[in-house]
This record gives sequence, C-alpha cells and structure tokens, in this order.
Amino acid sequence: DAKTTQPPSMDCAEGRAANLPCNHSTISGNEYVYWYRQIHSQGPQYIIHGLKNNETNEMASLIITEDRKSSTLILPHATLRDTAVYYCIVRVQGSGNTGKLIFGQGTTLQVKP
Amino acid sequence: DAGVTQSPTHLIKTRGQQVTLRCSPISGHKSVSWYQQVLGQGPQFIFQYYEKEERGRGNFPDRFSARQFPNYSSELNVNALLLGDSALYLCASSPWYPEAFFGQGTRLTVV
Repeated sequence: DAKTTQPPSMDCAEGRAANLPCNHSTISGNEYVYWYRQIHSQGPQYIIHGLKNNETNEMASLIITEDRKSSTLILPHATLRDTAVYYCIVRVQGSGNTGKLIFGQGTTLQVKP
Repeated sequence: DAGVTQSPTHLIKTRGQQVTLRCSPISGHKSVSWYQQVLGQGPQFIFQYYEKEERGRGNFPDRFSARQFPNYSSELNVNALLLGDSALYLCASSPWYPEAFFGQGTRLTVV
C-alpha cells in the first residue's frame, strides 16, 4: 500500500491561499490521490481527487507532480471555516475493488484572522 | 437529501459487553464502509460491504463483525469490549467510486 507523508501542522492567514503538501513516493500507476478534511467532531469530508492531471473544483485545486510522487492541495482563499485536519490518501485497490481509504495523521491547518 | 446517518451518536458500555452500531447510507448508495478513529489518529478501515457482500476487511480482531441488509443499511457489532475499543466509529457510503460520504459517527466509550 502506498503511504503518504504530510506535515503535522500549518498556519494560514484568512483570505490567503493555503498550500498543503503531500508526498506519496511509492504510489502505483493506477492509484489515485484523494484529499479529505475533518472538522472537529465531524466525519471526514471529500474535497477532491486526481490521477495525474491537475484538478479543480468549487472547493480546491489539486496539483500533482509529473512523476506523481507528490501533490499539493490548494485552498485559494482560506476562511476560518477551513480550519481542519486535511488528509492526503492514496486509494488502495484490493481484490474485488475494496476501495478502502488509508488515512495517515494528516495536516492540521489553522486559519488565523 | 439526507446524508449518511448513524445511530446512536454516543454510547457508553462496560468492558466485556457487546455493542451494535447502525448506519443508513445515502439513498442509492450500495457500498458501506466502517472506520474506527481513536482520539488523535486518522480513521482506520474496518470493513467494506457492497451489495450485501463483504468486500474488504481491515486488521481488526474477530470480535468485530458487520453485515449489510437488503436496503443497504449496515450494522457493526463489537463483542467482548475492551477499553481500547473506545473510539469514534465512522460509516461511509458511496455509489462505488470515487468519493465516500461519511456520517457524523458514533462516539463509543468503554468503561
């Protein structure tokens, strides 16, 4: 199973872009990168996913390096409500497409006024 | 539309007891997964069910079991509770891929 490495914590000023890095150097060719976040006392929330191309949705952008060994989640204009633990996950495909998500420790993002 | 619903929201049990946690997936979602989240850690995969069949099992003892019903709702059972089973238990549903939608979880405290 591919593992991910994230910094344990980051700060960001409100209104500025938050750039959250993730290393996944052992990722396999058919494994996707997913990002989830978990606000205190809530269930994880899906943000975005990608395979090799950069992706953007209404919440964030995902930049994946050409060698796919790392990626960056970008929250373009962070708000106080974006304070959460952000998880970078490589989706594991077992037999029968189990689709389990392997969560690491994540990055605690603190958005400050 | 209702999201993933879990019941109960909080539960206190004594060591050695058994517990059943329930999950109702989003309408139309046929896959349900269970995760355990110990305080300060990321969620750990326990089980996945799709179309009432077990499709994946994490590294948990046989005290943990689950099933999925014809309406795609699911139950997680834990027997012979230990103090270390105290955690937030999360249920996630998905139409299959790509994203999973999580419920708010059941907070289990074993005393």
